Amino acid sequence: AQSVTQLGSHVSVSEGALVLLRCNYSSSVPPYLFWYVQYPNQGLQLLLKYTSAATLVKGINGFEAEFKKSETSFHLTKPSAHMSDAAEYFCAVDNFNKFYFGSGTKLNVKP
Amino acid sequence: EAGVAQSPRYKIIEKRQSVAFWCNPISGHATLYWYQQILGQGPKLLIQFQNNGVVDDSQLPKDRFSAERLKGVDSTLKIQPAKLEDSAVYLCASSSDRRETQYFGPGTRLLVL
Repeated sequence: AQSVTQLGSHVSVSEGALVLLRCNYSSSVPPYLFWYVQYPNQGLQLLLKYTSAATLVKGINGFEAEFKKSETSFHLTKPSAHMSDAAEYFCAVDNFNKFYFGSGTKLNVKP
Repeated sequence: EAGVAQSPRYKIIEKRQSVAFWCNPISGHATLYWYQQILGQGPKLLIQFQNNGVVDDSQLPKDRFSAERLKGVDSTLKIQPAKLEDSAVYLCASSSDRRETQYFGPGTRLLVL
């Protein structure tokens, strides 16, 4: 069964516009949730993680995500996109030792 | 603090050959992960070690893939024999403990011809 679904394999925004990357998950236990970023020819880097504390999680580079249990969602947002945000973003869920990544969303930022 | 090291960075082999990848995790990290990332897809967890022991290998194709983590430090992942569909980037990650933040190495890019 699919544990993580990322809607939209490609998202394009203008510089300065809102970034919204969608992630929905399924879990039979309280999950830990993560967003990772992968820049071209670089390794995966953690942006932020949710571990059952505050539902609004702030990460690096101005990104944040909100855990919504009723919607089983963990969408990633940034108020104002920068050219340097162009990368691929992966949502991931930890169902207690079962770790799943989503298929990724490539973010393109237009000048 | 040194990051996760992997070698080689690139490997090209013929199908039916064997290949091995090496990973050196961050010092002191108890948990080590191997992922397979096929082009255009998210990483898929192949195997997770906690110190010397295997926590999860449910997605490891055990007829051709094997992995070990001797002395709870370095790890090797082997494919024998390789198939065309094994072409992917193999990522190693480590964390201080289970469910802690994973730190990823640069990956090994494998091409099977």
